[in-house]
Amino acid sequence: GAVVSQHPSWVICKSGTSVKIECRSLDFQATTMFWYRQFPKQSLMLMATSNEGSKATYEQGVEKDKFLINHASLTLSTLTVTSAHPEDSSFYICSASSGTSNQPQHFGDGTRLSIL
Amino acid sequence: QKEVEQNSGPLSVPEGAIASLNCTYSDRGSQSFFWYRQYSGKSPELIMSIYSNGDKEDGRFTAQLNKASQYVSLLIRDSQPSDSATYLCALTGGFKTIFGAGTRLFVKA
Repeated sequence: GAVVSQHPSWVICKSGTSVKIECRSLDFQATTMFWYRQFPKQSLMLMATSNEGSKATYEQGVEKDKFLINHASLTLSTLTVTSAHPEDSSFYICSASSGTSNQPQHFGDGTRLSIL
Repeated sequence: QKEVEQNSGPLSVPEGAIASLNCTYSDRGSQSFFWYRQYSGKSPELIMSIYSNGDKEDGRFTAQLNKASQYVSLLIRDSQPSDSATYLCALTGGFKTIFGAGTRLFVKA
């Protein structure tokens, strides 16, 4: 159980393009979803936390107008990287939790984003 | 002091040995503790959860929690080269989950 699907796995696109990444919980209701980015050989960096039906809470230093998060249902959250530039190239990972404070986060497989 | 501290490693153990990974934390209100494994280029996967003091065993993995001393550890028995990965300690208090930076484990064949 607790399967989280993330799509796409890889994206290569030109600078200035907007990219949407989907995160779905397949067998549980994810009241809370999280978006992380990770640079090579570095730690997970939490970007934002989203609760179903609410605006996302962004971590300090993360531009909310740059990284648009939508969590419209209990099984789907999306991250849109708007007007992506080479410095946005990274490994983006979503995770989902049932929302009970003691429950673990379950991670998607991640999306490797490369901006040319 | 960081909220969750892990030795970054690498921790190198021979195949068949016991690997011991440790994690200390600062928030005494933390209630739930997790160990994740992350292979290079992949996302983290949950391998153990522990909620009360003592040991919890699952196959070759044993998680140990000591809330009084504010540490949680993970033992991997009969370590295999396939166990080579970064191990992340995580804990929750309230609705926030804090991840450690991870310990890199290398199991030599």
